[in-house]
Amino acid sequence: DSGVTQTPKHLITATGQRVTLRCSPRSGDLSVYWYQQSLDQGLQFLIQYYNGEERAKGNILERFSAQQFPDLHSELNLSSLELGDSALYFCASSPPGLRETQYFGPGTRLLVL
Amino acid sequence: AQSVAQPEDQVNVAEGNPLTVKCTYSVSGNPYLFWYVQYPNRGLQFLLKYITGDNLVKGSYGFEAEFNKSQTSFHLKKPSALVSDSALYFCVVLEGSGNTGKLIFGQGTTLQVKP
Repeated sequence: DSGVTQTPKHLITATGQRVTLRCSPRSGDLSVYWYQQSLDQGLQFLIQYYNGEERAKGNILERFSAQQFPDLHSELNLSSLELGDSALYFCASSPPGLRETQYFGPGTRLLVL
Repeated sequence: AQSVAQPEDQVNVAEGNPLTVKCTYSVSGNPYLFWYVQYPNRGLQFLLKYITGDNLVKGSYGFEAEFNKSQTSFHLKKPSALVSDSALYFCVVLEGSGNTGKLIFGQGTTLQVKP
């Protein structure tokens, strides 16, 4: 158990819908990262937040957005969902000053029908 | 931009034999390199990392990796494979500076260890 929690574990929805994925980092970790794992794209970085501020952005679609709240939990919002958005979404967190040490949550498996 | 490449989609090894999973990297500056493993229907687990120092890095579950600057490689090795080592292995490089930490993953190599 990494100490990073993600909810829900599984999500099934329809095209065009909007969903929110939630991540709680390990206690004391200020950074939260989101990654997407799909058959087409492999495992790719989406976005990073550090203490509430966006720090890095990867290949994140405009239909996707994220935020980190004052209690440091983070949410990834996916809207206007398409079949190709079906993937495993991972959240990770890292301690202050140790960006190279990322602890991954169990992931949220999203299926868009 | 930093990148890593894993030339093999799958590696097959008999239990008890040594295993190698290959990785090459392309980075500017000094690389921060990692190996992660993903077991079926489970999350990602950290195995080991190279940041600086000894070129031979030891990690979890008896795995080790050798950093080779001249060949820009970071191959994962284990002297004696177990059936339970069967999983998907990712070579990873860290991109960014300061508080920015973007992990760039290779395409992954499936390791199949047969009894």
